[in-house]
Amino acid sequence: DAGVTQSPTHLIKTRGQQVTLRCSPKSGHDTVSWYQQALGQGPQFIFQYYEEEERQRGNFPDRFSGHQFPNYSSELNVNALLLGDSALYLCASSFERTYSTDTQYFGPGTRLTVL
Amino acid sequence: DQQVKQNSPSLSVQEGRISILNCDYTNSMFDYFLWYKKYPAEGPTFLISISSIKDKNEDGRFTVFLNKSAKHLSLHIVPSQPGDSAVYFCAASLINNNDMRFGAGTRLTVKP
Repeated sequence: DAGVTQSPTHLIKTRGQQVTLRCSPKSGHDTVSWYQQALGQGPQFIFQYYEEEERQRGNFPDRFSGHQFPNYSSELNVNALLLGDSALYLCASSFERTYSTDTQYFGPGTRLTVL
Repeated sequence: DQQVKQNSPSLSVQEGRISILNCDYTNSMFDYFLWYKKYPAEGPTFLISISSIKDKNEDGRFTVFLNKSAKHLSLHIVPSQPGDSAVYFCAASLINNNDMRFGAGTRLTVKP
């Protein structure tokens, strides 16, 4: 049983560009959350998707957007990249019926570097 | 605004001894607290949690203590094992609120 998978593993972009990160949830999971972990800090909640809709959002600008597909996989899009967007982006999945923050399973993350 | 703080970036203990990791929070509305462990190149994995109606929760070698008046929680690992070496994050939220607030993490090294 594959856990949460994310692609790509690493990514290098330049300021002003746009980026798309992908996440496949653990088998049987239908809810996907995205987190940003800057160097030396803990993860920060970006948003959560359930039933293909954004259910809750953290304190991130509109440059950060997402999508969830019918197969429950998800994408995180960041427009107009800034140097400060350089971070590890983590995806976490869970099953709505048993949802609580401690039943989330995290992927290994995508390391984004903005030059 | 850092609402959850882990003031010790690193901790080193001898195998078999107790590891104590500390965490402080500022928002008195938080009512659910969690600890995650993270190995290199892996995502965080849930370790143990506690709700604000309790002051202690135990799971095997891991015990979390919550002091609501001091807005402080700690994770005790007894006995510590080399495989416990990892970065530990504490997190806080309202129950079933997706917006968890994480501390910056403490790197624990358990020496054989």
